Amino acid sequence: SQTIHQWPATLVQPVGSPLSLECTVEGTSNPNLYWYRQAAGRGLQLLFYSIGIDQISSEVPQNLSASRPQDRQFILSSKKLLLSDSGFYLCAWSGGLLEQFFGPGTRLTVL
Amino acid sequence: DQQVKQNSPSLSVQEGRISILNCDYTNSMFDYFLWYKKYPAEGPTFLISISSIKDKNEDGRFTVFLNKSAKHLSLHIVPSQPGDSAVYFCAASGGRSARQLTFGSGTQLTVLP
Repeated sequence: SQTIHQWPATLVQPVGSPLSLECTVEGTSNPNLYWYRQAAGRGLQLLFYSIGIDQISSEVPQNLSASRPQDRQFILSSKKLLLSDSGFYLCAWSGGLLEQFFGPGTRLTVL
Repeated sequence: DQQVKQNSPSLSVQEGRISILNCDYTNSMFDYFLWYKKYPAEGPTFLISISSIKDKNEDGRFTVFLNKSAKHLSLHIVPSQPGDSAVYFCAASGGRSARQLTFGSGTQLTVLP
């Protein structure tokens, strides 16, 4: 069966520090991968999606970036965090169907 | 511009009664709709979906209804259980990027024992 992992589970970072969140998927090959952010009291905002290695599409201009160095690895990064980057970050994957399956999420607090 | 809207941020229902969660969309190109359930500090879990060629899909206690002319869908949970208390998101797919999902802002359902 397929599983999706995210780490870390929680992170507290100062403004201006870098960020690296990692997501890996097991049990499937060539998945579509997604990064979402849920701000407090808000819905899920799609940040990036990827249909293959090194193929990244950005949905929202921001100071975040994403990379997919391996088929089942998706990384969300920032060189300098802003206060507004605080939120709950979710990685998801999909296969041949439209349903997306989410990881456990990372709670990021920028102070 | 919000293409998928959940106008009720919260809903409280007595245990055993029916919960009805509503969702409206504006993009007529959407052709596939999904409902997700989310507990605090966890990722959303997929509940049920419906294609635009259908107007109803049922899975156990969960039924999704789609009214294409009104661009409206709803999720019915019957009977409601305290464990159903969570945030419910509707999502839609289709049009410009068929493999992407556009999510609503969610509805917090509280089932009272």
